[in-house]
Amino acid sequence: QSVLTQPPSVSGAPGQRVTISCTGSSSNIGAGYDVHWYQRLPGTAPKLLIYANNNRPSGVPDRFSGSRSGTSASLAITGLQAGDEGDYYCQSYDRMLSSSTFGGGTKLTVL
Amino acid sequence: EVQLVESGGALIQPGGSLRLSCAASGFIVSSTYMTWVRQAPGKGLEWVSIIYSDGTTHYANSVKGRFTISRDDSKSTLYLQMNSLRGEDTGIYYCAKYSGSFYDYWGQGTQVTVSS
Repeated sequence: QSVLTQPPSVSGAPGQRVTISCTGSSSNIGAGYDVHWYQRLPGTAPKLLIYANNNRPSGVPDRFSGSRSGTSASLAITGLQAGDEGDYYCQSYDRMLSSSTFGGGTKLTVL
Repeated sequence: EVQLVESGGALIQPGGSLRLSCAASGFIVSSTYMTWVRQAPGKGLEWVSIIYSDGTTHYANSVKGRFTISRDDSKSTLYLQMNSLRGEDTGIYYCAKYSGSFYDYWGQGTQVTVSS
């Protein structure tokens, strides 16, 4: 069981907005550690999507955005496209584990 | 352009050993933090090991004493020596460049299957 909890799946129609939650605790997100998000499209390597809560690496469209509040974080995707289908993971640091930790992943389906 | 290419994954019997390799290009391996992350079937991503630029290494409790991370700076290659393999070590193993907080580049992964 992952230290960071994500919904197993989310879905939305093309053009819609979806959000993916990442719930942690006082030993990780709640302790002030940054949250990062990764996208893994079918058959490809994971790719950094959002770093330090709400920053996009060069090349990532502004349709993707992140936020953090309290012991949780969220990834929002607007203007859903078929090419967004894949798995999304959050990641932070956990001071009790003394290591980085990932969420269990969320499968995004574009209807 | 940063590239990470893993190799060495295989079907191996429980108790066996395997060495994974990760060929890096586009940056200086010795100057950065490099990690191995794995994903078991149906599970999320799990950090396995890290090697810092000064050579210091750390391991997840689940692999401590069995796995060894190393690098060959002359070959720009990262390794993961895996001994005493167990069924729960089955999964896709990714090498990833670590910024100190997040994983900014990943390889495509190599499959390790531990089964008799």
